[in-house]
Amino acid sequence: SQQGEEDPQALSIQEGENATMNCSYKTSINNLQWYRQNSGRGLVHLILIRSNEREKHSGRLRVTLDTSKKSSSLLITASRAADTASYFCATADTGRRALTFGSGTRLQVQP
Amino acid sequence: DAGVTQSPTHLIKTRGQQVTLRCSPKSGHDTVSWYQQALGQGPQFIFQYYEEEERQRGNFPDRFSGHQFPNYSSELNVNALLLGDSALYLCASSLVGTPNTEAFFGQGTRLTVV
Repeated sequence: SQQGEEDPQALSIQEGENATMNCSYKTSINNLQWYRQNSGRGLVHLILIRSNEREKHSGRLRVTLDTSKKSSSLLITASRAADTASYFCATADTGRRALTFGSGTRLQVQP
Repeated sequence: DAGVTQSPTHLIKTRGQQVTLRCSPKSGHDTVSWYQQALGQGPQFIFQYYEEEERQRGNFPDRFSGHQFPNYSSELNVNALLLGDSALYLCASSLVGTPNTEAFFGQGTRLTVV
């Protein structure tokens, strides 16, 4: 079963705009990770945020984590057509080895 | 440095047949996890192998089995294939004892059951 849900399920924006995706989860976690997937191929790791962190940056990516609300957001600034992909959040639950994925957000960036 | 490699890339099987998928982890990694991703869904955890043993299992029937070899590579076997087993199968590798580090994924094997 899915850990939680990403919101929105699909997002279409113009190049240069910012894209924000949200993720909710249900259990206690060690960390939360965001992955990107192009056209149903392998997952590319974007960023990991630990449960004791609230915000993290990597290039044009900004991730926030609110453990009290069991939610996270991924912000992609100044989006490019090459950012078009599906984005998944995944949680590493406390005491478990597996990653639990959400259902993903399909991002379309129009040139 | 080779990342995670999976073979084959695509596979078509008939309902009732058996299939074996293969995965070589990233150099230096000792743990392999397998995931099933149905079309339009997020990946679902199947199981994880470390030290040649299954360490954790998701909600998948016994038709799904695996193996890890001394060189850390792994196989996923699915018996008595059903149409619903059609999916992208992803392998991920990681290093035990490092819970706050990323898992590296392969490009996947696209299995179609007809």
